[in-house]
Amino acid sequence: KQEVTQIPAALSVPEGENLVLNCSFTDSAIYNLQWFRQDPGKGLTSLLLIQSSQREQTSGRLNASLDKSSGRSTLYIAASQPGDSATYLCAVGEDDKIIFGKGTRLHILP
Amino acid sequence: SQTIHQWPATLVQPVGSPLSLECTVEGTSNPNLYWYRQAAGRGLQLLFYSVGIGQISSEVPQNLSASRPQDRQFILSSKKLLLSDSGFYLCAWSKGVEQYFGPGTRLTVT
Repeated sequence: KQEVTQIPAALSVPEGENLVLNCSFTDSAIYNLQWFRQDPGKGLTSLLLIQSSQREQTSGRLNASLDKSSGRSTLYIAASQPGDSATYLCAVGEDDKIIFGKGTRLHILP
Repeated sequence: SQTIHQWPATLVQPVGSPLSLECTVEGTSNPNLYWYRQAAGRGLQLLFYSVGIGQISSEVPQNLSASRPQDRQFILSSKKLLLSDSGFYLCAWSKGVEQYFGPGTRLTVT
């Protein structure tokens, strides 16, 4: 059974710093991996989608990597801003469903 | 463009009362549809998914049920709510690998 783990559960960093969020999964037979952002009490916003054949995806200040063989993904956020404060969720895609991690609550200190 | 709607946005219901949450998608046809729940302090959990009208797959045993009476309509129901049903319910749709989420419904069972 696929399990997705995100470490740390919470993270506070000063504004302007670069940071890395980690995601690991137990079964490497995935179709894709997605990173989402969730603001308090709101739905999810897709940030980056990496297909199983890809190694990384970039969007603006965000870069996500995928290492299927080791069951790991990272989300790199460059030059963090207070508006980046949110919960970041990692999810792996299998067949017609996706399995989510519990998320990392990120707080950027002004 | 595609949009996904959920209502109500918030709901407070007493234990033992029935529940009906509705999700509709516009701008696409024959999407895969999903219901997720996010309970306090826990990750996002897939409850049901549907690949077509009348086709519902349940991921976890519970007192909830789902129905898909029309191609772009997905309904989450319960005959008698439990305190443990409180949480944030998200509907999502997909046509390919990416899932797109609705704004969510905050359910509080008292």
